[in-house]
Amino acid sequence: NAGVTQTPKFQVLKTGQSMTLQCAQDMNHEYMSWYRQDPGMGLRLIHYSVGAGITDQGEVPNGYNVSRSTTEDFPLRLLSAAPSQTSVYFCASSYFSGSSYNEQFFGPGTRLTVL
Amino acid sequence: GNSVTQMEGPVTLSEEAFLTINCTYTATGYPSLFWYVQYPGEGLQLLLKATKADDKGSNKGFEATYRKETTSFHLEKGSVQVSDSAVYFCALTDNQAGTALIFGKGTTLSVSS
Repeated sequence: NAGVTQTPKFQVLKTGQSMTLQCAQDMNHEYMSWYRQDPGMGLRLIHYSVGAGITDQGEVPNGYNVSRSTTEDFPLRLLSAAPSQTSVYFCASSYFSGSSYNEQFFGPGTRLTVL
Repeated sequence: GNSVTQMEGPVTLSEEAFLTINCTYTATGYPSLFWYVQYPGEGLQLLLKATKADDKGSNKGFEATYRKETTSFHLEKGSVQVSDSAVYFCALTDNQAGTALIFGKGTTLSVSS
C-alpha cells in the first residue's frame, strides 16, 4: 500500500496562474479531504468528500475547486492563484466504521508558493 | 460550531520531564478525539485516539483520556525524550454531523538533553 500520495511536493506559481494539486489513495477509503497549514493557524479544512461524486466545502473553500470522480482520486484546483494561497497543502483519507469515523491518513504535503 | 482549543506553545522541557498539553473541545453530537504529531518537515501522523467518553488512548508512552464532563482530552507523557520534539495537534470529528477533522492550532514541543 502506498497510502496517500500527493504531487507535486513543491510548486512555485505566479499570481493568476492555475494549477491542480493531485491526491490519490489506495486504501479504498470513502472519505477524503484537503487542508492547508499556515503558521499559527493549524490546519484548516478546504473541501472534503464522503464518496465519489459527492463533495462539500470546509472552512476556507474560496479560490479552490474539487471533484471526486473516483474513490481513489481527489484533485484540488486553484483557479487563479493569489499570494494568500501560499501554504502547505495536505490531503487525507479516512473510513467510517460502526458509529465513528476512524483516523485520517495524511499525505506528505505539497508546499506551494505564489509570487 | 465545533472547535478545538489547545494550550499555546512553545513548550520547552528537559529530557525526562513530565509533559501535559491541554486540549478542550466544543462539539454537537458525539465526537471522536485524536492527537496527531508532526515531526519537522513531515506530514501528520496519528498518535492516539478515543471514540467515546472515558476511553483512554495511548501510544509510545503518551496518554489522553476522553473527559465528557470537562470536554477535555489532555495529552500526557511521564518522561519526554529529545525525539518527542514536534508539533502536536488535538482534533475531533463530529460523528453525527459527518465532518472531517477539526484541528486545534497546534503546540510546539521542544525537548533538550
